[in-house]
Amino acid sequence: GDSVTQTEGPVTVSESESLIINCTYSATSIAYPNLFWYVRYPGEGLQLLLKVITAGQKGSSRGFEATYNKETTSFHLQKASVQESDSAVYYCALGDLGYGNEKITFGAGTKLTIKP
Amino acid sequence: DAGVTQTPRHEVAEKGQTIILKCEPVSGHNDLFWYRQTKIQGLELLSYFRSKSLMEDGGAFKDRFKAEMLNSSFSTLKIQPTEPKDSAVYLCASSFSSGNTLYFGEGSRLIVV
Repeated sequence: GDSVTQTEGPVTVSESESLIINCTYSATSIAYPNLFWYVRYPGEGLQLLLKVITAGQKGSSRGFEATYNKETTSFHLQKASVQESDSAVYYCALGDLGYGNEKITFGAGTKLTIKP
Repeated sequence: DAGVTQTPRHEVAEKGQTIILKCEPVSGHNDLFWYRQTKIQGLELLSYFRSKSLMEDGGAFKDRFKAEMLNSSFSTLKIQPTEPKDSAVYLCASSFSSGNTLYFGEGSRLIVV
């Protein structure tokens, strides 16, 4: 079936350090995969951070970047210099461009804590 | 603008009780989703409405879980009867239409003892 595997948390990074949260996916039943990163900040609901619908393209938001790599079936989230406000839970997700949000599969989430 | 609102935020129930969770989607959104989130299973889709019509009724969750959308601005998720394995966070999300960005509520944390 379709699945998403991401870095198992919790992850702790010092402020100003670089960050990578790994995400790989398996899209056995999806003709046109599209990929998302959602984030949940403390006290808030899950919200979309970035999405990419075309293989080879990069998405970016709030200093975060992720590139849709079809060859390695990966969508790693990276940031060059993290801030304390980036502390949150990050979810990688896989969707099907031929369908709607009802077909989105979420990863287990990675809790990120930034040390000041 | 108001986001997705869920109530109650926390609920403790005894086994066998009936629980009703409530959700108000973002105004103007046509699609509404109920998810269950646990550490082991992650986010699982329970129900999905499009323009108030039930499109997916949760498969394995059908027997004790019933979601309804009485109008475009209000949905409920009833669990009857509750079991300890239902302890989880229940998330409601809405989107303008299929494929558009999902907006989530903060969730309702249910503990069944």
